[in-house]
Amino acid sequence: NAGVMQNPRHLVRRRGQEARLRCSPMKGHSHVYWYRQLPEEGLKFMVYLQKENIIDESGMPKERFSAEFPKEGPSILRIQQVVRGDSAAYFCASSPRYQETQYFGPGTRLLVL
Amino acid sequence: AQKITQTQPGMFVQEKEAVTLDCTYDTSDPSYGLFWYKQPSSGEMIFLIYQGSYDQQNATEGRYSLNFQKARKSANLVISASQLGDSAMYFCAMSEGGTSYGKLTFGQGTILTVHP
Repeated sequence: NAGVMQNPRHLVRRRGQEARLRCSPMKGHSHVYWYRQLPEEGLKFMVYLQKENIIDESGMPKERFSAEFPKEGPSILRIQQVVRGDSAAYFCASSPRYQETQYFGPGTRLLVL
Repeated sequence: AQKITQTQPGMFVQEKEAVTLDCTYDTSDPSYGLFWYKQPSSGEMIFLIYQGSYDQQNATEGRYSLNFQKARKSANLVISASQLGDSAMYFCAMSEGGTSYGKLTFGQGTILTVHP
């Protein structure tokens, strides 16, 4: 009974590189959410996706960030041309249809050098 | 205005004692949900308890209970019989309906330290 899976758990990138964060939701969950946690802060909503649809991306920075949840495979959060300010923990959560509770993955710690 | 406020940056409790972590919220939506999550030092986010705005009774899950006072807009977490493993950061969060559905808003968190 696997929970939400995220990989990699730790990612180091140099400024200007691309970061790809992957999230596999819990079995039976069709809704995926991404959150960002800066040091010493609470989590901030980024994007809410269902299969092949972006439902709410109001928390996504306008540039360099994109997310997808394809019909097959994991959800991907992509950060292009990373900057030091992108260093944070990125959490993915999932929920089944018609249920509010979101279950979180272990997070990906991104460090930009 | 802050939607979720946790006014206690840090709390200390003796092992086996009960502790209350405060959370107040702000919304004009009649339909909302309130959540508590635990984040131990290892970093994962663990779901603890949920309360819906229309629920008549306070939610309970084992040693966790949510003291829901709707008129005061508070949703305090009560941990009974604290254990050393309860030492962690605790986040209160809220979901709303309408166009905000699916988006959890988190408070700043409270660090709980349980002393032996």
